[in-house]
This record gives sequence, C-alpha cells and structure tokens, in this order.
Amino acid sequence: AQSVAQPEDQVNVAEGNPLTVKCTYSVSGNPYLFWYVQYPNRGLQFLLKYITGDNLVKGSYGFEAEFNKSQTSFHLKKPSALVSDSALYFCAVIRGSNYQLIWGAGTKLIIKP
Amino acid sequence: DTGVSQDPRHKITKRGQNVTFRCDPISEHNRLYWYRQTLGQGPEFLTYFQNEAQLEKSRLLSDRFSAERPKGSFSTLEIQRTEQGDSAMYLCASTLGGAINEKLFFGSGTQLSVL
Repeated sequence: AQSVAQPEDQVNVAEGNPLTVKCTYSVSGNPYLFWYVQYPNRGLQFLLKYITGDNLVKGSYGFEAEFNKSQTSFHLKKPSALVSDSALYFCAVIRGSNYQLIWGAGTKLIIKP
Repeated sequence: DTGVSQDPRHKITKRGQNVTFRCDPISEHNRLYWYRQTLGQGPEFLTYFQNEAQLEKSRLLSDRFSAERPKGSFSTLEIQRTEQGDSAMYLCASTLGGAINEKLFFGSGTQLSVL
C-alpha cells in the first residue's frame, strides 16, 4: 500500500535556527512528492515538489527538500527559521496514475522568538 | 481575488439534514478535487473532476455524498442525511493541465459541524 508518514506531530525550533520536518514514503514506482503548508484559517498552499532530477528541490519562502531514494525520505528544510514559518506542514505523494494525492498526517511547526 | 473560493465558510446543521457546499475553482482550471480533513489528519480524497466529468470517487464516499460540476466550472458537494461523523473541513482544490504532477490550489474550506 502506498503511504506517507510524518513521524513528528510537532517540531519546535528557535528563530534563526535551521529546521527540518521529516517525511518518509512508501510507493511503488517513481514517486511524485509534494510539500504543502497550511496557515490558520487559510487553505493549503503548495511549497515545492519533486518529480525527477536534482535531489535537492527549492521551493517557496526559502524552503527546500531533499529527496533520498535509498531512505525513501523527502525531508523539508530551511536554513534559518522565521516566526512566520509557524504553521502545519503536510507531505504528500501521488498514487499511481489516477492523480490522487496521499497525504501525511501533518507536522505542526512552532518557531519561537 | 482569483483564487479558489468555497461557500459557506462554516455550516452547522442537525443530524439528518441535507447540506450543500459550493466551490468556484480558478477560472480555466480543468481539474477539480474535493477532500475531507479532520483535526490532526491530512486531507482525505473524496472525488475529482476533469472538466464536467467525475472521473473518480473514493470508496469512502458513501451514497449519501454526491458531487457535480455542471459545465465544467463550479462544483457542488451535497451530503444527504448528515451524520455526526460527517463533521469535518471540506476542501476544494483545482489545477490546470494534464500532467499528473501539477500543484493544487486550495480554497479555505467549508467547516461542517453536525449536531
């Protein structure tokens, strides 16, 4: 079965420090991987995606993610966290050819000043 | 605002009543999705449209749920005989293109509370 796991319910980081939000996946074939962010009272927003090519993908708001095929991971990273990065982050993978996204449960990121 | 809009933002209803939600996608987006999200969980796929054709429905979508997208523009999601377990945030998303890996644009959702 194809799935996505976000092992941390919550991540706490001090402002200015680097942050990592973890995601691992299980999918047959080549994965299409995504990160979305959800701010309070707002819709989900696309951050970045991995389709093929360079394992380091750069996205919106200074975020990047590293695709690691051997570890089946797609961790989200940012070199220097901002308080405004505090939000709920979701990792997702496309399942097969039917355009369905399979979502992780989300990780709440809290950046403390 | 040219984003995806959903109406209403909040809906409170009594068990057994019918409810209908509306989604207006970004104009010219040919694919439209409905998801359901409960607290502490990621979105759960319900159904999706390519233009006016409903191409897939989740097995989780009981016969009390129906969705339409007449003329390939706005979409409606109706829940008949609501149950308390239907309480959730209902999200709509749209995208343009035929590629499988296109990013989705989400609306702010409709929060349904069934009393």
